[in-house]
Amino acid sequence: DAGVIQSPRHEVTEMGQEVTLRCKPISGHNSLFWYRQTMMRGLELLIYFNNNVPIDDSGMPEDRFSAKMPNASFSTLKIQPSEPRDSAVYFCASSTYIGANTGELFFGEGSRLTVL
Amino acid sequence: DQQVKQNSPSLSVQEGRISILNCDYTNSMFDYFLWYKKYPAEGPTFLISISSIKDKNEDGRFTVFLNKSAKHLSLHIVPSQPGDSAVYFCAAVVNDYKLSFGAGTTVTVRA
Repeated sequence: DAGVIQSPRHEVTEMGQEVTLRCKPISGHNSLFWYRQTMMRGLELLIYFNNNVPIDDSGMPEDRFSAKMPNASFSTLKIQPSEPRDSAVYFCASSTYIGANTGELFFGEGSRLTVL
Repeated sequence: DQQVKQNSPSLSVQEGRISILNCDYTNSMFDYFLWYKKYPAEGPTFLISISSIKDKNEDGRFTVFLNKSAKHLSLHIVPSQPGDSAVYFCAAVVNDYKLSFGAGTTVTVRA
């Protein structure tokens, strides 16, 4: 069975450029999460979608970050313009509704972003 | 605001012995507590969980203990195997979806 698929796995870009990270959740999962992992802050929740609707975006750092989920099988996280402090590993995770309640998420392999 | 804390950044244990990982938390409203395991260049993988109404949950070599009065969680791995070498994250759920993660403990199992 395919797990959560993220692309790109690695992205190196220059400050000021637009970055788009992509995620395909596990089929049948109706909850989707974007997490960011940094040395300073660890794993932190950026945004949570349920049935394609953003439920909690309080973790999105600032207006430069935006996320969309146009359908049940695809989500994007966009950073525009990117800054060096955005360098991190970005994880997408999905779950069923029950899984979200109990914390049992399925994570993708992550997208490592480096902003020069 | 770190609501979940793992105070030991690393743990080294001999193969076949017990690994004990510890975690402390501050929010008494957490509903579930979990341990995730992470290998390099991979995403975290769910390992085991426990409801806030229980004090122990066991799954094969892995046992999680919850002490609510002390706001303390631990993971026991018996016996430890080389494949257990990874980073282990303690996590807790509040408000039906919000996971808070600890900083992680890197476990190294020596042959």
